[in-house]
Amino acid sequence: EVQLVESGGGLVQPGGSLRLSCAASGFTFSSYWMSWVRQAPGKGLQWVANIKQDGSEKKYVDSVKGRFTISRDNAKNSLYLQMNSLRDEDTAVYYCARVARTLYGDYFNYWGQGTLVTVSS
Amino acid sequence: QSVLTQPPSVSGAPGQRVTISCTGSSSNIGADYDVHWYQQLPGTAPKLLISGNSNRPSGVPDRFSGSKSGTSASLAITGLQAEDEADYYCQSYDSSLSALYVFGTGTKVTVL
Repeated sequence: EVQLVESGGGLVQPGGSLRLSCAASGFTFSSYWMSWVRQAPGKGLQWVANIKQDGSEKKYVDSVKGRFTISRDNAKNSLYLQMNSLRDEDTAVYYCARVARTLYGDYFNYWGQGTLVTVSS
Repeated sequence: QSVLTQPPSVSGAPGQRVTISCTGSSSNIGADYDVHWYQQLPGTAPKLLISGNSNRPSGVPDRFSGSKSGTSASLAITGLQAEDEADYYCQSYDSSLSALYVFGTGTKVTVL
């Protein structure tokens, strides 16, 4: 059974940093692109970043470029999101998701339960 | 930041059929990228409902169906059940520079 378990969320002041983790199990982690998707309270879903199987390619939504860094450790079956210079608008539940790559557009076929990040003074 | 537009809410009585539209543009749905749908039950993570416009993953009831035409897509729920009350999101790939993947604004389905 595919399982994705996020951790590392919490309350942080504006301008602060936080590192999220996602522990994967039930599949060959090193064979899949992975993503982070977030959802602000009461709002919709927003893709944040994704990373290739070997970590050689990384993509970000414009609003987090230069502030967030996605990474992975295939030996530990883990995905990470380092978040720096956090802003109020980064407050959200952050989901780890496995990417299904297709010729006509990728999608997210497995999701974790999410971890809440609150940016507030 | 959503670039796919959905109606905020739809409702129906048990057993009825409801549809949810998802309207995009020439950089996503209109560029012939597939549309995928997710169901988010209250207080839980999203779950893949439909992939590749109309494909149901194993375990998804055949009451759920998807279609796509031009720059729009639709999700239909037939034989509406109380457990279908949830938020539904469409998603596609986007060839613009700002984001690889875009989601719809979300639709709340209420079972009357």
